[in-house]
Amino acid sequence: SAVISQKPSRDICQRGTSLTIQCQVDSQVTMMFWYRQQPGQSLTLIATANQGSEATYESGFVIDKFPISRPNLTFSTLTVSNMSPEDSSIYLCSVKRTGVAPYNEQFFGPGTRLTVL
Amino acid sequence: GESVGLHLPTLSVQEGDNSIINCAYSNSASDYFIWYKQESGKGPQFIIDIRSNMDKRQGQRVTVLLNKTVKHLSLQIAATQPGDSAVYFCAETLTGGFKTIFGAGTRLFVKA
Repeated sequence: SAVISQKPSRDICQRGTSLTIQCQVDSQVTMMFWYRQQPGQSLTLIATANQGSEATYESGFVIDKFPISRPNLTFSTLTVSNMSPEDSSIYLCSVKRTGVAPYNEQFFGPGTRLTVL
Repeated sequence: GESVGLHLPTLSVQEGDNSIINCAYSNSASDYFIWYKQESGKGPQFIIDIRSNMDKRQGQRVTVLLNKTVKHLSLQIAATQPGDSAVYFCAETLTGGFKTIFGAGTRLFVKA
């Protein structure tokens, strides 16, 4: 398994400011993903962040709004820039191991609950 | 675009009964279908997956059924326990890709 920690666990921010969320994994993984989950709803993939390449963003998400860093195989950050109340959500970091069964299993961090006032 | 959705948003079952959670999907170009369980305040946890060329797969107390003709996926939980209370998401991995698309979720309540 992979154990994932996220910082901060929650934050309340003012609109117009930015927040950087950190994701730390206890083992080296190539594939890392960032999701957003609004309360009571499903997970929406923001981007895929593989080490050694630029992050790939899903439709509706852009790098200027959600810049991502992936400096090594155990760490990543997601920044939510110029926040508005619509960005209030839970942000989840996730990893997938390669070459280890079950091949589709993704591990998730506990999430960062963001409230924008 | 691709989407994965569910028929029932909530399901309440008696402890010891079997639970069936259903999911409809619209994208035929999926390689695997997956079920995740999410408890309150935690990230989703992998339960079981099924490859698109299979129609049934069993795990410990869980069975996943795939009907590609009607694009329907279900998760059966045998002898449901209070610890099974959670939100269950179906998800799919598109063929040739690594990303996972999640469905809307069903909240399961287990009554003691």
